[in-house]
Amino acid sequence: AQSVTQLGSHVSVSEGALVLLRCNYSSSVPPYLFWYVQYPNQGLQLLLKYTTGATLVKGINGFEAEFKKSETSFHLTKPSAHMSDAAEYFCAAILMDSNYQLIWGAGTKLIIKP
Amino acid sequence: NAGVTQTPKFQVLKTGQSMTLQCAQDMNHNSMYWYRQDPGMGLRLIYYSASEGTTDKGEVPNGYNVSRLNKREFSLRLESAAPSQTSVYFCASSDGVPGLAGTTDTQYFGPGTRLTVL
Repeated sequence: AQSVTQLGSHVSVSEGALVLLRCNYSSSVPPYLFWYVQYPNQGLQLLLKYTTGATLVKGINGFEAEFKKSETSFHLTKPSAHMSDAAEYFCAAILMDSNYQLIWGAGTKLIIKP
Repeated sequence: NAGVTQTPKFQVLKTGQSMTLQCAQDMNHNSMYWYRQDPGMGLRLIYYSASEGTTDKGEVPNGYNVSRLNKREFSLRLESAAPSQTSVYFCASSDGVPGLAGTTDTQYFGPGTRLTVL
């Protein structure tokens, strides 16, 4: 079955350190890919998305993600973590071979250590 | 421009009680969605509506009913609440048509309803 996998339900980094949140998808056809962020007690909001064209996508709050077809990945990065980045991050994909439905990853909670 | 609004924010029910969660959007979006969020399970789609007058089942529709009252409003009803329905419920809307080839649209989420069923 087609799926979206986020490695690590919790990721902890120090303030100022690199943030790397991993997302892999299973599909034989390149999908459309999304990262959403959920701050405590709030709904989700879009961070960035990849549809076509440039594989490095820049989003809000200094985040970016790179689509790597060969690795079926769409990892989210930020060079320097800030305390305000503490949130839960969801990867999602529209898989062409799954009736174009949006499929969600399980989420990764990002913890920032002072 | 309020975006997506949900009422109530919190609710406690006893097993067997019924209730309706309300959702409205002011972005003139075609599609609306109801999700539930449980720890470690991400978001699971309950029902969606691609246009006024149409609704379709998602991944976990059992125990729920929905109504797309008009383009703005999409309600979720629990007829006989069970403890397994304790969750956070999110409504979302988007401009595209779910399941349509080429759809890449962003979903916009409400703030959620925290429901506890005792």
